[in-house]
Amino acid sequence: DGGITQSPKYLFRKEGQNVTLSCEQNLNHDAMYWYRQDPGQGLRLIYYSQIVNDFQKGDIAEGYSVSREKKESFPLTVTSAQKNPTAFYLCASSRPGLAGGRNEQFFGPGTRLTVL
Amino acid sequence: SQQGEEDPQALSIQEGENATMNCSYKTSINNLQWYRQNSGRGLVHLILIRSNEREKHSGRLRVTLDTSKKSSSLLITASRAADTASYFCATVEMNSGGYQKVTFGTGTKLQVIP
Repeated sequence: DGGITQSPKYLFRKEGQNVTLSCEQNLNHDAMYWYRQDPGQGLRLIYYSQIVNDFQKGDIAEGYSVSREKKESFPLTVTSAQKNPTAFYLCASSRPGLAGGRNEQFFGPGTRLTVL
Repeated sequence: SQQGEEDPQALSIQEGENATMNCSYKTSINNLQWYRQNSGRGLVHLILIRSNEREKHSGRLRVTLDTSKKSSSLLITASRAADTASYFCATVEMNSGGYQKVTFGTGTKLQVIP
């Protein structure tokens, strides 16, 4: 999966607990993204970061938090405020999205989170 | 409809046949990308077509883009069982900060029967 690792692959959590999903890349990419995918559906953007120490909310940020202290790492915390957290979570990275540049995203293998 | 909406939602064909998937979108874009996802895995980038291009080829893949109709199609020729996967289009817009906004469609699930 192209230099991006996500761990763990499967994660189980009890209702009311916070949980942090890991995402690491060694592609020297500035931009990183977190998506959520529900069964049979497309990807929805949770948070994205274009540069270290900066991140923005995506379309469905409520109940999630992120940090970007290092270029290679972009952990996602699913908080107890997220009403329906069971889903497949995908992390991606890309070079800066400069106009005219190649800016395809490289995805990690995903983490499947199940709330019991 | 959503930005980046694919049709059909599902497609089943015999090995050797061609598969065509379509993507429609709403806004002006910088480029459009197609990705493939095997079940339970991450997405893999297939091909990128810029807004000033009309057609692009990569191996057995052919992508067209019609910006006047805000639509794109992905054609896989001479399909193989290994092409069985979900295929997503992603539209890329440049926001006011000069950075990209990527929006994924809902995907087409392709099954190629041996």
